[in-house]
Amino acid sequence: DVKVTQSSRYLVKRTGEKVFLECVQDMDHENMFWYRQDPGLGLRLIYFSYDVKMKEKGDIPEGYSVSREKKERFSLILESASTNQTSMYLCASSWALSYTFGSGTRLTVV
Amino acid sequence: DQQVKQNSPSLSVQEGRISILNCDYTNSMFDYFLWYKKYPAEGPTFLISISSIKDKNEDGRFTVFLNKSAKHLSLHIVPSQPGDSAVYFCAASLLGLNSGGSNYKLTFGKGTLLTVNP
Repeated sequence: DVKVTQSSRYLVKRTGEKVFLECVQDMDHENMFWYRQDPGLGLRLIYFSYDVKMKEKGDIPEGYSVSREKKERFSLILESASTNQTSMYLCASSWALSYTFGSGTRLTVV
Repeated sequence: DQQVKQNSPSLSVQEGRISILNCDYTNSMFDYFLWYKKYPAEGPTFLISISSIKDKNEDGRFTVFLNKSAKHLSLHIVPSQPGDSAVYFCAASLLGLNSGGSNYKLTFGKGTLLTVNP
């Protein structure tokens, strides 16, 4: 089974901190994605990558950046965390449209 | 502007009855649709999908119907079980417009919380 592992289940960070969310997949998938899930707003795409060192903005990229130096790892970076970035963050990898999601990171910015 | 809409935030049904979850889309170029199920504190898991060349796809208790002219799809769960209680997300893709190596982006709806009561 494909596994997508997100490094932390819960994180609490202070406003203004630089935050790294890590995601690793073990099935050699080309595509990786970062979503956030908020009540009433569903899943919204932040950034995605279809190859090493390639990245594209999703629907809500403001305040975020990403890094994909190796195929298996896709990092989401909050340059200066703000309270409106408190959310559940979900990483996914895919072969074509076969998506596998990680369990999520619940980030709270205080 | 939301391209995939799930207008019912929640649905409650009795065990053994049918659950019908609805999804509408606005982009007529979408050609592949999926349903995902999500339990709290877990990532979404794939449930069932349908290509735009079909109008129905069935997998056990789960059936997805697609009405292209109405830009509407629905997920039927029969019979519903308490373990089906979860958030269900509808998603759509422009699969036919993608080429190998490019993105396989999904656009998700806001989700519908299904509660199946024993």
